[in-house]
Amino acid sequence: DSGVTQTPKHLITATGQRVTLRCSPRSGDLSVYWYQQSLDQGLQFLIQYYNGEERAKGNILERFSAQQFPDLHSELNLSSLELGDSALYFCASSPRQASAYEQYFGPGTRLTVT
Amino acid sequence: GENVEQHPSTLSVQEGDSAVIKCTYSDSASNYFPWYKQELGKGPQLIIDIRSNVGEKKDQRIAVTLNKTAKHFSLHITETQPEDSAVYFCAASGQAGTALIFGKGTTLSVSS
Repeated sequence: DSGVTQTPKHLITATGQRVTLRCSPRSGDLSVYWYQQSLDQGLQFLIQYYNGEERAKGNILERFSAQQFPDLHSELNLSSLELGDSALYFCASSPRQASAYEQYFGPGTRLTVT
Repeated sequence: GENVEQHPSTLSVQEGDSAVIKCTYSDSASNYFPWYKQELGKGPQLIIDIRSNVGEKKDQRIAVTLNKTAKHFSLHITETQPEDSAVYFCAASGQAGTALIFGKGTTLSVSS
């Protein structure tokens, strides 16, 4: 158990809908990263937050957004869902030290868009 | 940007044999190289990592080697066991607190 929690574990929804995925980092970690894992694209970085502020963006669609709250949990919002958005979504957190490289992943949310 | 290639995509070994997975990276500025193990239905688990100021690192049956000149790094698993069966991912990043760029993964099957 990495200490990173994600809810829900599974999510099934229809095209055009909007969903919110939730992540709580390990106790004391300030950085949260979101990654998408699909069969054809592998693990791809979406977005990073550090202590409430957006720090970096990767291959994140405009239909997707995220935020990190004062208690450091993060939410990933996916809207106008398409079939191709079906994937596993992971968050990871990183120790607060500026020199820390390690990232610890949560169990993921499996999103199925029908 | 950084690109990480991983080989082989599948690897089958007998219990007790060694397994080697190789990765190459493109950005010479990358200096952190972790390996993750992902079991079915679970998130990636960090199993070992190496920084560019080190050539080799061992942790019991697993080891990672890094060749900065050639820009490649490898995962070595000795005395494989059935519970080593999983998908293994290599990754690279350029500095602390930045995103990881992952390889496509290697599915390791260990048969008893």
